[in-house]
Amino acid sequence: SQQGEEDPQALSIQEGENATMNCSYKTSINNLQWYRQNSGRGLVHLILIRSNEREKHSGRLRVTLDTSKKSSSLLITASRAADTASYFCATDARGSNFGNEKLTFGTGTRLTIIP
Amino acid sequence: DGGITQSPKYLFRKEGQNVTLSCEQNLNHDAMYWYRQDPGQGLRLIYYSQIVNDFQKGDIAEGYSVSREKKESFPLTVTSAQKNPTAFYLCASSTRSGTGYNEQFFGPGTRLTVL
Repeated sequence: SQQGEEDPQALSIQEGENATMNCSYKTSINNLQWYRQNSGRGLVHLILIRSNEREKHSGRLRVTLDTSKKSSSLLITASRAADTASYFCATDARGSNFGNEKLTFGTGTRLTIIP
Repeated sequence: DGGITQSPKYLFRKEGQNVTLSCEQNLNHDAMYWYRQDPGQGLRLIYYSQIVNDFQKGDIAEGYSVSREKKESFPLTVTSAQKNPTAFYLCASSTRSGTGYNEQFFGPGTRLTVL
């Protein structure tokens, strides 16, 4: 099964700086999603980008998708202490009968924002 | 107040016992999912259900069982056959479509510890 891999595994930056994390996957996809997980909690959906889109914005989030390289990046601008969390990419396989029936999650990037 | 709930938050089990984790949603979602998360790892799919009275095995179904008798409920039983059940279990739900555009909504999780 395809597996998303986030890079780096861990990232520490000063508050106010930008944070960039990357995701690579192995097979063709319908869409790619990014989720955030605070320690010991459930995941929260951040943004979804379709396979025919190259860039998407949502507030301080910017996501890019390069299907030729099978990779995506998540940029968080002007980071805040509250952004401290783990971030996961998730993909669903092209050709799935019902699209989002099965998501494959990456191993995550642990982001720490230093006040 | 719509959402997805899991209970209990913490669960302790003796070796050889079966335990059932509860997952309830009032979002009117067709699809529901169970994931397992080990420390520092991503999510792995255990079972998923696209519709009432139907469910499919995920990537790590051995030692687990589920039922989907009601749209709102998708309980997971961790059986004694699961060799290493200590983990964080997450339930999620989503709307069902053929477009692949749907985010998953997650519950707060159940942390299971085998004593």
